[in-house]
Amino acid sequence: GAVVSQHPSWVICKSGTSVKIECRSLDFQATTMFWYRQFPKQSLMLMATSNEGSKATYEQGVEKDKFLINHASLTLSTLTVTSAHPEDSSFYICSAISGVTGNTIYFGEGSWLTVV
Amino acid sequence: AQSVSQHNHHVILSEAASLELGCNYSYGGTVNLFWYVQYPGQHLQLLLKYFSGDPLVKGIKGFEAEFIKSKFSFNLRKPSVQWSDTAEYFCAVNPRGGKLIFGQGTELSVKP
Repeated sequence: GAVVSQHPSWVICKSGTSVKIECRSLDFQATTMFWYRQFPKQSLMLMATSNEGSKATYEQGVEKDKFLINHASLTLSTLTVTSAHPEDSSFYICSAISGVTGNTIYFGEGSWLTVV
Repeated sequence: AQSVSQHNHHVILSEAASLELGCNYSYGGTVNLFWYVQYPGQHLQLLLKYFSGDPLVKGIKGFEAEFIKSKFSFNLRKPSVQWSDTAEYFCAVNPRGGKLIFGQGTELSVKP
């Protein structure tokens, strides 16, 4: 079946540095990808909607300049956490919609970010 | 390995029919449990969640789910579905301190 690969699964970075998380659709073209984060003991929070070839649509309260999203191709979206702080430590997960039918959703395995 | 299993890949119902979507997980410890819905072309939305307490959880839009610890299950129910409930439904498990694990999803089609 279709696979969404998220990399890295685990990352530790120092405060003030930037870290990039990749979300790839391995065997289908994803016109739309979503980025979520989850805080401990909470549900997922949508951060942004990423459309191939256009600017991401950010949810209210999500800093565009801090969480840079690039959807440069139909198989890759990246989330870059810039100038990371410990409060950015979280679980980030992406999902991708298959471009053919537009109604099949696949999830990445998620990325644990720890900022020290 | 930890996993979440949703029994039905595609469910087709007529309006006013009752709905039950199965979800089982494999994890021996304490878990947080979620049901999410994704309408066509939209992002995930949380229907309901269980962390602790009353195992019968009520969510939005008339949905409810029951956590049965002995069966490792968290089935989603709705007494009477509407056409607008047509969507994909995901069960997810979050072993405390661990990552969120999704089931493969169940597509619900409600015929008017």
